[in-house]
Amino acid sequence: QQQVKQSPQSLIVQKGGISIINCAYENTAFDYFPWYQQFPGKGPALLIAIRPDVSEKKEGRFTISFNKSAKQFSLHIMDSQPGDSATYFCAASSNRQNTDKLIFGTGTRLQVFP
Amino acid sequence: NADVMQNPRHLVRRRGQEARLRCSPMKGHSHVYWYRQLPEEGLKFMVYLQKENIIDESGMPKERFSAEFPKEGPSILRIQQVVRGDSAAYFCASSPDRSNYGYTFGSGTRLTVV
Repeated sequence: QQQVKQSPQSLIVQKGGISIINCAYENTAFDYFPWYQQFPGKGPALLIAIRPDVSEKKEGRFTISFNKSAKQFSLHIMDSQPGDSATYFCAASSNRQNTDKLIFGTGTRLQVFP
Repeated sequence: NADVMQNPRHLVRRRGQEARLRCSPMKGHSHVYWYRQLPEEGLKFMVYLQKENIIDESGMPKERFSAEFPKEGPSILRIQQVVRGDSAAYFCASSPDRSNYGYTFGSGTRLTVV
């Protein structure tokens, strides 16, 4: 129940295209859903996050879509650029617990070709 | 200090030796989290500490692993009698409080056990 399932494992997109990464969860206590971007040799960096009281959040080219009833959320990268090539992780946590530990998905390696 | 500082960046230990990983949180941050990332996998929560207190160690292996965050100085993740399976990237993150908004990761320590 603590798992966050992420797909696809890898994704190849042409420059200018849309990259879509999906995540699903089981624990209905989760109330915070961030996406992290990680470049090789670096730590994860927070990209964008959403709480379940909204169905969509957009920041620049990055959009999170959230479906509470289906317990799914996805990251959309519009106009994908070669510089977006990285590994993306979805995550979830619950503020009701005495901890803010994040449960991470297994990651999606995105490659954007010119 | 604008960043979460981890050192060393790379650490090589022989089987049976001890590994000590250090994490200096961002200035003003009193909450520290340690995560482990195995090759080609997502990050797994290990432990959450506040100054002088372990809040959640539910992700820590029962033996050989310990963590501390003293009143003065960095947080330390200590692995005794390392084995090959301990080879991984270890990331720490810090936040100013118990909310999960200001969660900043360091660049990690890559531990290799030979």
